[in-house]
Amino acid sequence: EIVLTQSPATLSLSPGERATLSCRASQSVSSFLAWYQHKPGQAPRLLIYDASKRATGVPARFSGSGSGTNFTLTISSLAPEDSAVYFCQQRSNWPPFTFGQGTKVEMK
Amino acid sequence: QVELVESGGGVVQPGGSLRLSCAASGFTLSNFGMHWVRQAPGKGLEWVALTPYEGPYEGTIKYYADSVKGRFTISRDSSRNTVYLQMSSLRVEDTAVYYCAKDLGNAWYYLDYWGQGALVTVSS
Repeated sequence: EIVLTQSPATLSLSPGERATLSCRASQSVSSFLAWYQHKPGQAPRLLIYDASKRATGVPARFSGSGSGTNFTLTISSLAPEDSAVYFCQQRSNWPPFTFGQGTKVEMK
Repeated sequence: QVELVESGGGVVQPGGSLRLSCAASGFTLSNFGMHWVRQAPGKGLEWVALTPYEGPYEGTIKYYADSVKGRFTISRDSSRNTVYLQMSSLRVEDTAVYYCAKDLGNAWYYLDYWGQGALVTVSS
């Protein structure tokens, strides 16, 4: 089973700042990685798939990069509505599909 | 637009059974894989089961997490636009919010639409 490790656990930033979230895989997942945004009481939302492709309707301030074992989700200029938990997920070696434990982004 | 609505959650005793339903609308269910994913209190997301897109062989192949294999059964009824998760021999550690989610395509294995979730509490 591929383990995904996300860092940091919590990111506290001000609106307008740049957020950089990391996801590291225990073995190579090629580019088969997605990022999701999850707000309390809401359904999770797909942001990025295949490491760098933005899902339909996702603002351009969200971007993904990386391949192999190291991946990054970047929010170029934080908006207040970006407060959420962000999860990565791999589909390279399954079952099971696995998720990271999440990074919480909060506004200062 | 695409909508997924889970139902059937509730409180059940250890060893008991429960069936979750996921009513799908806004897309043709038979053309997409469908997943169940859960989130235990204070924990991250855990993938539970997949009924993949199989074309004319719809419903014949299923995949499960080891933690639920042999106890949970995923199924779909495209005529009713509904996906099910039959859960039996429930354990306290199965307590979670259960989400159904649609696959991005017929074999992409990314989840592009999710329901709001159904809470399952296993407690005596």
